[in-house]
Order: sequence, then C-alpha cells, then structure tokens
Amino acid sequence: DQQVKQNSPSLSVQEGRISILNCDYTNSMFDYFLWYKKYPAEGPTFLISISSIKDKNEDGRFTVFLNKSAKHLSLHIVPSQPGDSAVYFCAASDGNQFYFGTGTSLTVIP
Amino acid sequence: NAGVTQTPKFQVLKTGQSMTLQCAQDMNHEYMSWYRQDPGMGLRLIHYSVGAGITDQGEVPNGYNVSRSTTEDFPLRLLSAAPSQTSVYFCASSYSNGFNSGANVLTFGAGSRLTVL
Repeated sequence: DQQVKQNSPSLSVQEGRISILNCDYTNSMFDYFLWYKKYPAEGPTFLISISSIKDKNEDGRFTVFLNKSAKHLSLHIVPSQPGDSAVYFCAASDGNQFYFGTGTSLTVIP
Repeated sequence: NAGVTQTPKFQVLKTGQSMTLQCAQDMNHEYMSWYRQDPGMGLRLIHYSVGAGITDQGEVPNGYNVSRSTTEDFPLRLLSAAPSQTSVYFCASSYSNGFNSGANVLTFGAGSRLTVL
C-alpha cells in the first residue's frame, strides 16, 4: 500500500504565479521529508527537505510546509518559472528507507 | 567528481535473458540503493546496501539480485528477464542510511531504461 501519496498527477501554472504541490503520508513514524525534482531522461535531484520537528523550511523560491496532524506536506514555488517545469516527487523517511510518492508533473506556462 | 554513474543507459532484452545493470559512485557513500520507476507507481525500492558486504531487500526485490563487494560499486542483476521488469532503473547513494538530517540525502544516477520483449 502506498505510504506516500501525490494525488495530483499534473499541474499547470502561469509564469510568475505560485505553484503548490501536495503530498500526503500515512506512516506516523516518518520523521524526515524531502522533495525531488526530475527532468526527462535525468535522475531525480534533491530540492528541499524538512524535519518533523519543523513546520516550514524555505530555500529561495521554494518553501515546504509540514502539517503533522494532517500528515500532509506541500511545496510552494514562488514565483514559478518555465525552468521549473518537471516532475516533482515527495519522499518520506523513517530513518532507514525513503518512500516516494508517484510524482506530480508541473508545467509552467510562459 | 562524477557522482553516481549508471551503465548502460538503454538496454533491450528478450524474455529469459540475463543482464547486469552497473552502478558506481565516487563519493565514498556507505549507502547505495536501486529503484525502479514505473508510470503511476513512483519510485520503488528494489534492494539496498548499507556498506560493503551488506545487502537487504526493499519493496520489490523479486527477480533481482545484488551484491556489494566494494564501497564504490553496486550492480543489479536480472537472472531471467520478464516483461514485467520493463522499467527505468535508478541507482542512488548517500553517506549513510540515517535519513533524518539535511546532510544525508540520496544522490541519483541518470537512469537505465530497460525493455524486456
């Protein structure tokens, strides 16, 4: 059973607007969460992470929010740029393994 | 610094054939792993290793073998390929498997696309 879920397979956003990608998880033992970005024909690359002791982490245009009570995290990209068009994977760790979501394909329209 | 190198990038096999996907890293990472990516399934862990001589199964290990004789290399073997193994395979590594700090994230290779006819 999928422990990390990304329910939106795709998202389209206008350039300059905010992109919000969502992720839900089921395992309360997860204590670290990450977002990876993947371009076609390349491997995923690390984007941003958050520990379970925090509820927000920022890195430039990227912010990750964690709501532990709802077992939900989100990635905000502001402002969105055409180069952000990629597949975004949410991942969670229990300290031993990473569990990945199914990915959300983001298209930023110029 | 090459990072994680996977070979081959593309491979076509017939059902029943065997092959090995190669993975090498030059970052002195202890932890190495293999994932497969399938449409609608995300990235699923096949096998992983926390150091030379130590391997363990992930979520979808059936049909695959691994070994870890050196820190640098972690090959994935398909002994008798099946069409269900058609996928994109990613090797990934990190310093350790203590995945609860910002310093310890997975670094992925570029992937190997395998088609089994």
